[in-house]
Amino acid sequence: KAGVTQTPRYLIKTRGQQVTLSCSPISGHRSVSWYQQTPGQGLQFLFEYFSETQRNKGNFPGRFSGRQFSNSRSEMNVSTLELGDSALYLCASSLPRDTSYEQYFGPGTRLTVT
Amino acid sequence: QQPVQSPQAVILREGEDAVINCSSSKALYSVHWYRQKHGEAPVFLMILLKGGEQKGHEKISASFNEKKQQSSLYLTASQLSYSGTYFCGTGEAGGTSYGKLTFGQGTILTVHP
Repeated sequence: KAGVTQTPRYLIKTRGQQVTLSCSPISGHRSVSWYQQTPGQGLQFLFEYFSETQRNKGNFPGRFSGRQFSNSRSEMNVSTLELGDSALYLCASSLPRDTSYEQYFGPGTRLTVT
Repeated sequence: QQPVQSPQAVILREGEDAVINCSSSKALYSVHWYRQKHGEAPVFLMILLKGGEQKGHEKISASFNEKKQQSSLYLTASQLSYSGTYFCGTGEAGGTSYGKLTFGQGTILTVHP
């Protein structure tokens, strides 16, 4: 079974621009969670989507948004980019099985804001 | 508030054992353990659920003390491939927070020949 895929893998943007990242979960998985990873803050939860609905949201400004499509693929968007948005953005998919949410991460999108 | 992992770093020789701890101030439903190698995505190791059994296989296992909101990851007879940063991710009890994990700061494990 194919794993989680994320596109693009690398991205360079300038301040003020916006960016859209894409995540395709493992086949059959319905939950997609997004995380930001930086050396200073570590792994931080952005939001989670399940069946096209945002179910949980982390403590990030409204510039960060996302959505999920009927095929469970998810996108996240960051508007008005700031230098501090430079990070590895990871998405993780889960089945879930009962209430056991084993999350499997994709390779990530490395975003650099200049 | 993120869980606290200890130690922050461990250096081992091949064949030695290590224990990594994860402690939370919140009531937990689940603890997830991951290993991340430099430049790669975190790789799922195991999940422990409230009321569940201690998990693991021959050389990597984990426990979850629900009363203390603590989990420990046990690595025995370490191999070079065990090197990496280990993260615990915690899921809180109640509600629909199952898809939201709060991660510790990570423990850097280095195994030398």
